[in-house]
Amino acid sequence: ETGVTQTPRHLVMGMTNKKSLKCEQHLGHNAMYWYKQSAKKPLELMFVYSLEERVENNSVPSRFSPECPNSSHLFLHLHTLQPEDSALYLCASSPGSYNEQFFGPGTRLTVL
Amino acid sequence: AQSVTQLDSQVPVFEEAPVELRCNYSSSVSVYLFWYVQYPNQGLQLLLKYLSGSTLVKGINGFEAEFNKSQTSFHLRKPSVHISDTAEYFCAVTRSNFGNEKLTFGTGTRLTIIP
Repeated sequence: ETGVTQTPRHLVMGMTNKKSLKCEQHLGHNAMYWYKQSAKKPLELMFVYSLEERVENNSVPSRFSPECPNSSHLFLHLHTLQPEDSALYLCASSPGSYNEQFFGPGTRLTVL
Repeated sequence: AQSVTQLDSQVPVFEEAPVELRCNYSSSVSVYLFWYVQYPNQGLQLLLKYLSGSTLVKGINGFEAEFNKSQTSFHLRKPSVHISDTAEYFCAVTRSNFGNEKLTFGTGTRLTIIP
C-alpha cells in the first residue's frame, strides 16, 4: 500500500450514530490534515496535526473529534451529526520541509 | 494571510483546443504555489508546483504553469486538451519557508471538454 489511504470510501449514517473515519499515510510524513469538501464550496481545513500534536482546529463543531495516535494514522470520530455535515472528507499528509500535501481519495459521508 | 482567486468557476473547451485556467494570489510574503486536479469521486492529485527557480513549471498530463510575481498570477495551461482532462482544478498557495503551513485553496475551476 502506498500514498494516503482512507477507509471507508462511502459511509451512510443516521444522526444518532457514532462512526469513525480512518486515514493512513505510507509516505513518512510528519503532518496530517482533515478537510471537508462540500458541493459548491471551497475546501475547508478542519484539523492539522504535526508530529502527532494538534496544531490547528478551525472552529470545527465538537461533534467532530480527531485523533492522531502516531504519525502514520489519523482518525475522525463522528457523533450526532447533522444532515449538513454530508460531504466528502479528505485526509492529506505533508513532509515538514515544504508544504506539498498528498491527498487520500476521500470518504463520501451521507448523514440521514 | 494569503488568498487565492480563481476567476472562472467553469470553463468549457473543445477537445484538442488549448486551455488556460487562471489563478491569482495575494500574499505579503514569498509563497509556494500549487495546482491540484480532482477527478469525479476522487481526492486531489498534485499537477505541478512552484517552489523556486524557473518560473515556467511543467507538470503531469502535459500541463504547465507560469509564475508571474509582478502580476501575482500562476495560470495553468495545456496546448491541447483531451476528454480525460475533464475535472475540477484547484490552485493553492502557502507561505514559503514555513514548516507545516496550511494550504489556502481557491474555489476551483471545473473544466469540461466538449467532444
